[in-house]
Amino acid sequence: AQSVSQHNHHVILSEAASLELGCNYSYGGTVNLFWYVQYPGQHLQLLLKYFSGDPLVKGIKGFEAEFIKSKFSFNLRKPSVQWSDTAEYFCAVNAPPGGSYIPTFGRGTSLIVHP
Amino acid sequence: DAGVTQSPTHLIKTRGQQVTLRCSPKSGHDTVSWYQQALGQGPQFIFQYYEEEERQRGNFPDRFSGHQFPNYSSELNVNALLLGDSALYLCASSLYGIPTDTQYFGPGTRLTVL
Repeated sequence: AQSVSQHNHHVILSEAASLELGCNYSYGGTVNLFWYVQYPGQHLQLLLKYFSGDPLVKGIKGFEAEFIKSKFSFNLRKPSVQWSDTAEYFCAVNAPPGGSYIPTFGRGTSLIVHP
Repeated sequence: DAGVTQSPTHLIKTRGQQVTLRCSPKSGHDTVSWYQQALGQGPQFIFQYYEEEERQRGNFPDRFSGHQFPNYSSELNVNALLLGDSALYLCASSLYGIPTDTQYFGPGTRLTVL
């Protein structure tokens, strides 16, 4: 079965700082990768996803993530964060067809951006 | 276009009671998945329903059961509630059998067990 590790549980940044949130997964086969965001009081929303092709994926609100297969990683980045990026960020992976296509989530990273 | 809706928003129960949570999927979706999100944790998969049958199940006891109706809406039932069942319960809808499809999440039901 697949699993996901998010190493940074709490991140505090000032506006305009650069962001990188780590995500590593464990599964030896083909994977699909996702980053979700949960803004305060709102539901989980998809930021971006990777299925195949270009390992650098661009999502909404200026976020991007890079899939590095050799490192089993899918780190989320943003060059300049805003106060409105304050939220919980979840990395998720599913692994069809050999594994399950039900996504497995990491425990999340809480990001606080100070104005 | 209505997204995923869930009811109720909040619920308070006592140990040993039973609870039913409801979910309506996004228009055009036929599959409903339920997740439990404990405080400070990521969502954990409970089970998935398609064509009114449970298709996959996560590592949750039989106290957790569900149902899907012909209109694709779904219910999650939890019997003999324990304090540890306190969590945010999320419903997500999607199209069955398409692993690259995006799951759309509802706002969740916050269950507190006293």
